[in-house]
Amino acid sequence: QKEVEQNSGPLSVPEGAIASLNCTYSDRGSQSFFWYRQYSGKSPELIMFIYSNGDKEDGRFTAQLNKASQYVSLLIRDSQPSDSATYLCAVLGSSARQLTFGSGTQLTVLP
Amino acid sequence: GAGVSQSPSNKVTEKGKDVELRCDPISGHTALYWYRQSLGQGLEFLIYFQGNSAPDKSGLPSDRFSAERTGGSVSTLTIQRTQQEDSAVYLCASSSDFHEQYFGPGTRLTVT
Repeated sequence: QKEVEQNSGPLSVPEGAIASLNCTYSDRGSQSFFWYRQYSGKSPELIMFIYSNGDKEDGRFTAQLNKASQYVSLLIRDSQPSDSATYLCAVLGSSARQLTFGSGTQLTVLP
Repeated sequence: GAGVSQSPSNKVTEKGKDVELRCDPISGHTALYWYRQSLGQGLEFLIYFQGNSAPDKSGLPSDRFSAERTGGSVSTLTIQRTQQEDSAVYLCASSSDFHEQYFGPGTRLTVT
């Protein structure tokens, strides 16, 4: 079992729709959770982080964390073609000092 | 406040040659990380430095890989006797604690 799992996609949504990206992790003691966006040929860009159970909103982005279910998600409201990218989930485990990344979900927003 | 910088942006080298990749972290960040990303693949952790502590080298794929961080700032990743499978984008990230990491633009290494 991978430590951090994401649906590889690709995920396609129409412009204006809500895109939902999901991530599960195996280390129950994980502390911190991050979402990175990576455009093709570019480096990852931090877009959200969440530490506590519940929802955290930032503009069109909402991160959701459920530690009991070991599940973290990213919702993108009013999706735009410019949101088309690979989204990486990253987790800081209970004992590790470095982030463990999922393999990423490729999102395409269709105009 | 400049972000993380890396040089060179691209490096083409012949198999068997040594290469050095440089990373300049965000000023004041105490932690520095190196990752590798092969085409279409996820991020592979290589090594990280935190302050004056001994580096965590657990991700280095072989003894041909080494890294150092001088003065708690700039880091150099060295790959000796490069092989074709070393071709990848090498990414550096820094953080002010163990939390949010900010990435540099990467160095694309091609071994011919």
